[in-house]
Amino acid sequence: SQQGEEDPQALSIQEGENATMNCSYKTSINNLQWYRQNSGRGLVHLILIRSNEREKHSGRLRVTLDTSKKSSSLLITASRAADTASYFCATDQGGSEKLVFGKGTKLTVNP
Amino acid sequence: KAGVTQTPRYLIKTRGQQVTLSCSPISGHRSVSWYQQTPGQGLQFLFEYFSETQRNKGNFPGRFSGRQFSNSRSEMNVSTLELGDSALYLCASSLAIGGNIETQYFGPGTRLLVL
Repeated sequence: SQQGEEDPQALSIQEGENATMNCSYKTSINNLQWYRQNSGRGLVHLILIRSNEREKHSGRLRVTLDTSKKSSSLLITASRAADTASYFCATDQGGSEKLVFGKGTKLTVNP
Repeated sequence: KAGVTQTPRYLIKTRGQQVTLSCSPISGHRSVSWYQQTPGQGLQFLFEYFSETQRNKGNFPGRFSGRQFSNSRSEMNVSTLELGDSALYLCASSLAIGGNIETQYFGPGTRLLVL
């Protein structure tokens, strides 16, 4: 079963706008990660946030984590057409040796 | 450093056949994980190998198996293929310092079509 559930399933915005994606999970975690996948290709790691962190930045990306609500959000600021991709959150289920991925948010950035 | 490589990239098989997919991790990475991605089920964990040992296995039938070699390269095998096995199979490697998986680096995947 899926650990992470992303919301929304699909998001369409204009270039320059901000995009926010949310992820909820069910069990305790050591860390939560976000990945990007361009159409039918391998996943690219974006950012990792540990359970004792609340917010993390990387370039135009901002990730927040609320362990009390078991949720995370990914914000992409000043989006570009090249940001068009599917975005997945992944959790480690309390330190197990496997990552469990959600079904992803499909982001379309229109030029 | 070279990234994760997977061979072959595309494969067409017929029902009942078997298939072997190969993954070469990033040099120095000891953990290799395999995932199946389909439009309906999304990304599903198959198994993870660390130092030639399978540490974790997902909810897949015994037709799905894998192994890891001493150089960390990994193979997965699917026997008696079914139409539902058509998917993108992704391999990911990780440093797994202290045995813990954190960032995973994915290969481009092998797209398998079963006719």
